[in-house]
Amino acid sequence: QVQLVQSGAEVKKPGASVTVSCKASGYNFNLYGVSWVRQAPGQGLEWMAWISAYTGNTNYAQRFQDRVIMTIDTSTSTASMELRSLRSDDTAVYYCTRDNVKGMDVWGQGTTVTVSS
Amino acid sequence: EIVMTQSPATLSVSPGERATLSCRASQSASTDVAWYQQKPGQTPRLLIYGAFTRATGIPARFSGSGSGTEFTLTISSLQSEDFVVYYCQQYNKWPRTFGQGTKVEIK
Repeated sequence: QVQLVQSGAEVKKPGASVTVSCKASGYNFNLYGVSWVRQAPGQGLEWMAWISAYTGNTNYAQRFQDRVIMTIDTSTSTASMELRSLRSDDTAVYYCTRDNVKGMDVWGQGTTVTVSS
Repeated sequence: EIVMTQSPATLSVSPGERATLSCRASQSASTDVAWYQQKPGQTPRLLIYGAFTRATGIPARFSGSGSGTEFTLTISSLQSEDFVVYYCQQYNKWPRTFGQGTKVEIK
């Protein structure tokens, strides 16, 4: 079936970086984009960035433009997102999503990132 | 960026009644709006895309309408599992943006 499987929970110190991976299966990975969305504890959904699996083109929310790096490995159908210079308010669940012109129709299970000294 | 504003923040409705959730865009999003449902502790689920098209497997009691700057999600007869949080999101312009969510609670 169509699914996105994310890497496991992470605990990081302020100032460090974290990388979350997202492995796709059950569909042609190259034909879709991947968006990254996060949700802080008790808060709403926040869109962070998008990457095309076909072209590698990217778009970012302005607040993440300088801290997020996204990569695509088409050989393994895996997308990755690195968030740098972590702060305590980056503590959140991070989701990868399949993002095409029909909304975000497939979501990963989420990766909890905790930033604490 | 397009700011999506949902109202109300909390909607109190009795089971079996109709719920109407609103989402306003700060500028035109055409019909490039999606609605998501999120149950406690679960991943969001796509309900509606293109403002009014139900995603695969979504029950017919969920319907979307609107275009431009005003959008509505209607749940025609609330079931127990529908008392959760709903988000609208636009994908007409970058950056993608979500509304802040509407919680539907039992009256």
